[in-house]
Parts: sequence; C-alpha cells; structure tokens
Amino acid sequence: SQKIEQNSEALNIQEGKTATLTCNYTNYSPAYLQWYRQDPGRGPVFLLLIRENEKEKRKERLKVTFDTTLKQSLFHITASQPADSATYLCALFINAGKSTFGDGTTLTVKP
Amino acid sequence: EAQVTQNPRYLITVTGKKLTVTCSQNMNHEYMSWYRQDPGLGLRQIYYSMNVEVTDKGDVPEGYKVSRKEKRNFPLILESPSPNQTSLYFCASSLVTSYNEQFFGPGTRLTVL
Repeated sequence: SQKIEQNSEALNIQEGKTATLTCNYTNYSPAYLQWYRQDPGRGPVFLLLIRENEKEKRKERLKVTFDTTLKQSLFHITASQPADSATYLCALFINAGKSTFGDGTTLTVKP
Repeated sequence: EAQVTQNPRYLITVTGKKLTVTCSQNMNHEYMSWYRQDPGLGLRQIYYSMNVEVTDKGDVPEGYKVSRKEKRNFPLILESPSPNQTSLYFCASSLVTSYNEQFFGPGTRLTVL
C-alpha cells in the first residue's frame, strides 16, 4: 500500500543549528512534493514545492531536496529560530487531484 | 483578503443528525478539497473537486458527501454522523490542481456523541 513516513514525531534542536526533516515514501512515483508548516490549532501553510525533475529548491533559510531513486525528500531549516517551532508536513501528489500527506514532524527550537 | 473560510469552527452533535460544514474561497480557485486530521493518522483527503460540478473521492470518502455548484463554495455533508467522524476538518483550495500551493481554511473541530 502507499505510505509516507516522516522522521520521528518530534525533533528538538538548539537555536542557530540546522534542522533536517525527512520524508520517505513507498509505492509512489510522485510528480510533485510539497512541504507545509502547521501551527497548533491552525491550518497548514504552504512552504515549498519541488518537482520530480528537480533535485533541490531553496527559499530564504529553507531548502528541500527530492531524490526519486531513494524515494526521499529532505527539508532543511538553516540558522533555526524559536519561531520555526511548528509541525512540518510533507505531501505527495500522484495526479492533479489526489493529495497524500505525512503525519508530520514536530520541531522545537530551543533558545 | 484572500482566504478560505469554514463554518462552523466548532460543532458538537449527536449520532445520526445530518450536518453541513461550509467552505468558501474568494481567490477564484478551481481546485478545492476536504481533509480530516486525526492524531497519528495525519491529514487524509476525503473528497476533492477540480471544478464546478466535478468531484471525486479521496482516500476516506465513506460517510461523507460533497457538492460543487458554485466555484467558490464546497460544502461537506455528513448525512448520518457517527462517533468515528469526530475529527478536525480542513478545507483547502488551489489555483488549478493539487499540484499548486494549497490554501487551507482555519479548520472545523467536530465532535459526534
């Protein structure tokens, strides 16, 4: 069956360090992958999109990689800040309509 | 302000009492979708709509109905709610397809007793 796994439910890091979140998938050949941020009690907010033919995408302190051979995406936040503390979701898109989201990784950045 | 709105935000109801959760977007988006979020199960897609009068099932459509009579509105209907439909529900929209950035509503927390 199709499955998305995001690394460990919680990730704790020190302010200023780089946070690396993992999204692994099986039995997919996704055309696109997106990362979202979700704060408690709120809807997810889009961060980055990467296509299957792109290896890497950057936006300010954020970087996403997409390895279709390993079936893995890595999401990096450099120079992390306490304000980056949130749950981060990865989402895969096989076709134009269906979306599949991972469970999310909760990141806590300590001052 | 560009946004997706949902109503109600909170609802407590009883088994079997039909309810509708409304969703509206003001961005002229073609694509809309409903998700439910449960602890340990993440966001799961219920139904989606590529355009007016075009809807299709997501991964967990059982017990739900949707309609898309107008571009801006995509209501979620629970004809006979059951306790296993207690969840946090999100509506989302995007410009054309799920591939585009999805804008999420604030969520509706539903409890079915």
